Amino acid sequence: GENVEQHPSTLSVQEGDSAVIKCTYSDSASNYFPWYKQELGKRPQLIIDIRSNVGEKKDQRIAVTLNKTAKHFSLHITETQPEDSAVYFCAAITFNDYKLSFGAGTTVTVRA
Amino acid sequence: NAGVTQTPKFQVLKTGQSMTLQCAQDMNHNSMYWYRQDPGMGLRLIYYSASEGTTDKGEVPNGYNVSRLNKREFSLRLESAAPSQTSVYFCASNQGLNTEAFFGQGTRLTVV
Repeated sequence: GENVEQHPSTLSVQEGDSAVIKCTYSDSASNYFPWYKQELGKRPQLIIDIRSNVGEKKDQRIAVTLNKTAKHFSLHITETQPEDSAVYFCAAITFNDYKLSFGAGTTVTVRA
Repeated sequence: NAGVTQTPKFQVLKTGQSMTLQCAQDMNHNSMYWYRQDPGMGLRLIYYSASEGTTDKGEVPNGYNVSRLNKREFSLRLESAAPSQTSVYFCASNQGLNTEAFFGQGTRLTVV
């Protein structure tokens, strides 16, 4: 089955700097890669996603890149703000069994 | 439009007791998932249902059973609770491949 690995587990950045989180996946049948943000005590919510036929996608200060050959994808947050402090999860879904698997999460802290 | 609703929100069980966590979605989604979230371990898939009438094991199915009662409802049962099952449980649903998954508010379960 799919195995999603996520690094780093914690990330502390100065406000205004960029944050990068990297994930790798094992199943070449995976074709959809969402990123979720979970604030303390809340449920995870989708912030951006990318499909296997796209190499990069941007939405304001966040962007995701996908390298299908290397089986890795990354989340980039630019001009970080205190409200970006949260736990971020990458995920992958395989088209042959619909299984949605998550990475272990990255706790991002933005220092004012 | 409530989205994904989980009940209960909090529960304390004694070791050996049984209980069922309920999940219902009103978005006409095909796929539903149960995850557990433990510190540092991300969201681990317990069971999922790709469509009504089907269920499959995830990463950590031992000690749990599920029922896809109909398209709306997907329940998780602990037959004999153990302290190792103390966790926050999330139900999620999506329309299928390449679509956003929506999460319930979570159930915080403590087994003493």
